Amino acid sequence: DARVTQTPRHKVTEMGQEVTMRCQPILGHNTVFWYRQTMMQGLELLAYFRNRAPLDDSGMPKDRFSAEMPDATLATLKIQPSEPRDSAVYFCASGLGLYEQYFGPGTRLTVT
Amino acid sequence: RKEVEQDPGPFNVPEGATVAFNCTYSNSASQSFFWYRQDCRKEPKLLMSVYSSGNEDGRFTAQLNRASQYISLLIRDSKLSDSATYLCVVNIGGGSNYKLTFGKGTLLTVNP
Repeated sequence: DARVTQTPRHKVTEMGQEVTMRCQPILGHNTVFWYRQTMMQGLELLAYFRNRAPLDDSGMPKDRFSAEMPDATLATLKIQPSEPRDSAVYFCASGLGLYEQYFGPGTRLTVT
Repeated sequence: RKEVEQDPGPFNVPEGATVAFNCTYSNSASQSFFWYRQDCRKEPKLLMSVYSSGNEDGRFTAQLNRASQYISLLIRDSKLSDSATYLCVVNIGGGSNYKLTFGKGTLLTVNP
């Protein structure tokens, strides 16, 4: 049963530190998404890629967030420097198009 | 009007009950609609797409009302395992524009 994997599952860090989250999409999926979920805002799309090329990152705070796909099996989301307001669950999802998305288990980030 | 809006609930119903959720969206040009399900502290999972003519999958029925700009999800003969948060998802970009937006979800608890 193919699944999206994400690491780490939990991360606690201090304000100002760099955080890197990793995602392995389902083999063969050509579209990868990064989402952030908080109680207040719900699920927000941060960025997405098709065939490793970034298509839209308008949902991402550009000054501190960056997303990349070094290869087809790895997507990364980096926050530098991290702030307490970045505390959230970060989900990666992959799919064969823009709509049917398979989500990973998420990275629960706490910035103190 | 918010881009995608749902009644947050919670809805508490007994096993066997029929329950319905609505979700309104702001852009009349929106083309693609979905319901996702999210269990507590888990990732969202696609439940069903919503087609213009309405569609059914077992105990679940989804409908679209373009005139009033809402979609609905009906669950018949509810089971304990239906307890989850139900997320309404709309591509509010309209046409070929992509802006997949998630509602904040409706919490359903099915009681024995």
